[in-house]
Amino acid sequence: DQQVKQNSPSLSVQEGRISILNCDYTNSMFDYFLWYKKYPAEGPTFLISISSIKDKNEDGRFTVFLNKSAKHLSLHIVPSQPGDSAVYFCAASEDRGGSNYKLTFGKGTLLTVNP
Amino acid sequence: DAGITQSPRHKVTETGTPVTLRCHQTENHRYMYWYRQDPGHGLRLIHYSYGVKDTDKGEVSDGYSVSRSKTEDFLLTLESATSSQTSVYFCAIGQGLGYSYGYTFGSGTRLTVV
Repeated sequence: DQQVKQNSPSLSVQEGRISILNCDYTNSMFDYFLWYKKYPAEGPTFLISISSIKDKNEDGRFTVFLNKSAKHLSLHIVPSQPGDSAVYFCAASEDRGGSNYKLTFGKGTLLTVNP
Repeated sequence: DAGITQSPRHKVTETGTPVTLRCHQTENHRYMYWYRQDPGHGLRLIHYSYGVKDTDKGEVSDGYSVSRSKTEDFLLTLESATSSQTSVYFCAIGQGLGYSYGYTFGSGTRLTVV
């Protein structure tokens, strides 16, 4: 059973516009969420995270929104740039630290930003 | 830079042969993980370790074993490689990331079983 779902395998946007990547989860015990970006032939790299005690976290052009009641989070990229073209993975954890660092990943969304 | 290295970067092997992939870290992190990435499946956890000689299974552990005899090295072994194990394998370490924590991944090993 897939606990973290990214229902859009791909997304295409124009340069300068907003990219919105969505993620849904089913495990109500998840309380910490991350987004990773992956370029071809490279490992995923950490992008931004959010704790369940917040509903928004911003870092430059990247903002993550969390709606706990809907078990939904989204990543907004504004403005989108061609260099943002990559696969984006949503990940979730039941524990922010302590003894459990296990992350559960979604299947990823391929973002293409067209010049 | 987290100092995490995977070797080899690419490998082609024959069905039925054993294969060992190596993950090496230089920063003494306790938690290490092996994932595989496949189209349509994303990243799936194979095995993980929470210390020397302390390992546990992930969601797709069948056909794989791991060992961690030193903090810095986490080995993934395919005991008898099958074509279904053709994949890209990523090692990760768990660490603090600014005010958060998460994984830092290696560059991956592309394994082809023929």
